[in-house]
Amino acid sequence: DQQVKQNSPSLSVQEGRISILNCDYTNSMFDYFLWYKKYPAEGPTFLISISSIKDKNEDGRFTVFLNKSAKHLSLHIVPSQPGDSAVYFCAASGGPGFNKFYFGSGTKLNVKP
Amino acid sequence: DAGVIQSPRHEVTEMGQEVTLRCKPISGHNSLFWYRQTMMRGLELLIYFNNNVPIDDSGMPEDRFSAKMPNASFSTLKIQPSEPRDSAVYFCASSLRLGNNEQFFGPGTRLTVL
Repeated sequence: DQQVKQNSPSLSVQEGRISILNCDYTNSMFDYFLWYKKYPAEGPTFLISISSIKDKNEDGRFTVFLNKSAKHLSLHIVPSQPGDSAVYFCAASGGPGFNKFYFGSGTKLNVKP
Repeated sequence: DAGVIQSPRHEVTEMGQEVTLRCKPISGHNSLFWYRQTMMRGLELLIYFNNNVPIDDSGMPEDRFSAKMPNASFSTLKIQPSEPRDSAVYFCASSLRLGNNEQFFGPGTRLTVL
């Protein structure tokens, strides 16, 4: 029972355009959300997070949006760069399992030059 | 700051053999996590420790899997006996403490069971 779902296994975007990665969750007790980025042969690295008291958090080219009513979050990358090509994992925590991060299956982003 | 260290980076073994994966967390981090990455299920949490004590092992798939953390700077994940369906990338991660704290991942061990 995957509580965090990333329904798009891959996404291809032209350099300079916006990349939008989506994530859905089922557990209404989740109150903290993160995005991790993973390059081949490396471990995931933290990218950006958002608490449920906010609906948007921005860090440079990266913005995460949270829609609690829809149980949906998205990561926007503007402008996209070839170096952003990686696998992006969405994660969530909260409720009784607040010590645990529940990860999605990942979306592979390819930014074409 | 060496980051989280995992060994070996690659492991190829035959079905039925014992496999031991090793992890050295970042110095000063009190929490350690073992994850498995597969194409179908993404990143799954297997077990995590706090102050060297296992807190939640509900993600461990079967009794063939066991994990230990004998001290603050070392942890092992053992599979005995290994099966082809255990083939995956296994990640270790550490964080300063439990809760919503950033987890720092190691480079992973790619396990292939033939």
